[in-house]
Amino acid sequence: GESVGLHLPTLSVQEGDNSIINCAYSNSASDYFIWYKQESGKGPQFIIDIRSNMDKRQGQRVTVLLNKTVKHLSLQIAATQPGDSAVYFCAEGNNAGNMLTFGGGTRLMVKP
Amino acid sequence: NAGVTQTPKFRILKIGQSMTLQCTQDMNHNYMYWYRQDPGMGLKLIYYSVGAGITDKGEVPNGYNVSRSTTEDFPLRLELAAPSQTSVYFCASRAQGWYNEQFFGPGTRLTVL
Repeated sequence: GESVGLHLPTLSVQEGDNSIINCAYSNSASDYFIWYKQESGKGPQFIIDIRSNMDKRQGQRVTVLLNKTVKHLSLQIAATQPGDSAVYFCAEGNNAGNMLTFGGGTRLMVKP
Repeated sequence: NAGVTQTPKFRILKIGQSMTLQCTQDMNHNYMYWYRQDPGMGLKLIYYSVGAGITDKGEVPNGYNVSRSTTEDFPLRLELAAPSQTSVYFCASRAQGWYNEQFFGPGTRLTVL
């Protein structure tokens, strides 16, 4: 079936460096993509989203890039901080975001 | 606003027991969702609702039931608990409309022994 997956299960970065978390999706009908952050013992927290008619969107210290040609999504975190340590999930949706399919997650570890 | 709240936080069940996981949201959201998250995995949709009185199956509905009698509440029922239902359960809600984010509750950790 259609699925969303991630290239790297664990990413370790030095505090202050930039982080890039990647995600591949397979459903070409998806029109909405979201990144969630999940800290240990907590529910997922929305970070940033992007619609399929865009290829880049920026937030505070975060940027999401969408490459529809190769069905690839990435999350860039600038100046990574210890508080960024968490598991990051990408999710794809259709029907204007009513339904989401989640990927398997990438654990980001920030070294002081 | 409290957002999405879930009770209990933790529960241990014996095989064959039943229980209801509670979910309440105070944001007047029409859409509500139940997901399960197995260790080291992403979230899988169990059931969802687009409004009071309307529910539908997600990807993994077997062994679960839901109801939606009010806008605020969306309980998830396990009738005959099985070890395969050991997981963390998350409830989420979102406002009706295009491209609105889902807000998640803190989760219920369920262990079936």
